[in-house]
Amino acid sequence: KAGVTQTPRYLIKTRGQQVTLSCSPISGHRSVSWYQQTPGQGLQFLFEYFSETQRNKGNFPGRFSGRQFSNSRSEMNVSTLELGDSALYLCASGSQGREKLFFGSGTQLSVL
Amino acid sequence: SQQGEEDPQALSIQEGENATMNCSYKTSINNLQWYRQNSGRGLVHLILIRSNEREKHSGRLRVTLDTSKKSSSLLITASRAADTASYFCATGETSGSRLTFGEGTQLTVNP
Repeated sequence: KAGVTQTPRYLIKTRGQQVTLSCSPISGHRSVSWYQQTPGQGLQFLFEYFSETQRNKGNFPGRFSGRQFSNSRSEMNVSTLELGDSALYLCASGSQGREKLFFGSGTQLSVL
Repeated sequence: SQQGEEDPQALSIQEGENATMNCSYKTSINNLQWYRQNSGRGLVHLILIRSNEREKHSGRLRVTLDTSKKSSSLLITASRAADTASYFCATGETSGSRLTFGEGTQLTVNP
């Protein structure tokens, strides 16, 4: 089985722009969750989608949003980028029990 | 916000030695997991221990959980240079994939 695929791997944007990150989960996995990783804040939960419905949301501003498609692929969008949004964004997929997560390699976002 | 703390923050050992990392957490949990991350890459799941378990083994890994002290430890035996990575504990409070991660331990195994 192919692993979790995230695109793009690297992204450079400027303040005020918006960005869309993509995640394809492991085939058969219906749960996709997103995490932000920064040196200062560590790994923080953004949101989880299961069967196209947002099941859980972390403490992030409304500029961070996501969606999941019928094929379980997920996108995450950040609008009006700020310097502090520079981070490694990790997507993870889970199987039925959704406890053990399989992570992608992440998208490294730099906001200039 | 982080669920808890890991200690030590950094650990440097020689190949063949054992490495022990500790994790403390604050709230009631359903399970506790350990993940490994190589620099700038995604996390790899190592082992999951449920709140009603006390110890679990997987290859060279041994995890213990003490729910009364809200703490866990990860032991890597006979370490190898390839074990060099950051190790994170993560707690799951309910069923589902919302995990709360610790700050991580940077392990360096010197050949």
